[in-house]
Amino acid sequence: DTAVSQTPKYLVTQMGNDKSIKCEQNLGHDTMYWYKQDSKKFLKIMFSYNNKELIINETVPNRFSPKSPDKAHLNLHINSLELGDSAVYFCASSQPNSPLHFGNGTRLTVT
Amino acid sequence: SQELEQSPQSLIVQEGKNLTINCTSSKTLYGLYWYKQKYGEGLIFLMMLQKGGEEKSHEKITAKLDEKKQQSSLHITASQPSHAGIYLCGADGGSGYALNFGKGTSLLVTP
Repeated sequence: DTAVSQTPKYLVTQMGNDKSIKCEQNLGHDTMYWYKQDSKKFLKIMFSYNNKELIINETVPNRFSPKSPDKAHLNLHINSLELGDSAVYFCASSQPNSPLHFGNGTRLTVT
Repeated sequence: SQELEQSPQSLIVQEGKNLTINCTSSKTLYGLYWYKQKYGEGLIFLMMLQKGGEEKSHEKITAKLDEKKQQSSLHITASQPSHAGIYLCGADGGSGYALNFGKGTSLLVTP
């Protein structure tokens, strides 16, 4: 009964490639997020969607494009991957003023 | 924007010892969340604090929010190897739609 699931768990790709990470939640939450955790374990918000509408768009390169086909899904597409994009990407979901529920992360390695 | 500072950055304690992790905010906290991350895994929600002076406990972990709502502490009593991991505090940055996180405290419990 996975609450927030993201795929793939691991992603190894070369510079310049385009890749996508998928996220689905079955909690009925209205808000979904993408976070990036760097090598020093610092967790930073990238995007936040509420009912399929973009609410937060932090200073993220245009190469990153989130897409929310419906309330339960928030996918992350990355164009022209760079070495510095290597990190663990976490999807999360929540209701207002409630804890975020996180997926298990996608470890992206760009070579 | 709201910044959260955690201390210490890392901690090594002997099994059975008590420990405290602190989280200090640059602004008033309207919701403070504690998470634990096991190495290579996702974040697990521990506790949420909203009111000044509030204290919550779960098993051997106690979290407090000070009266001024700018600092929180997480206290573990009689630590066990299962407590090892990274502890992160998160807070609503004011948007109501995402949490900002501290840089985490890495805890290792030795036998």
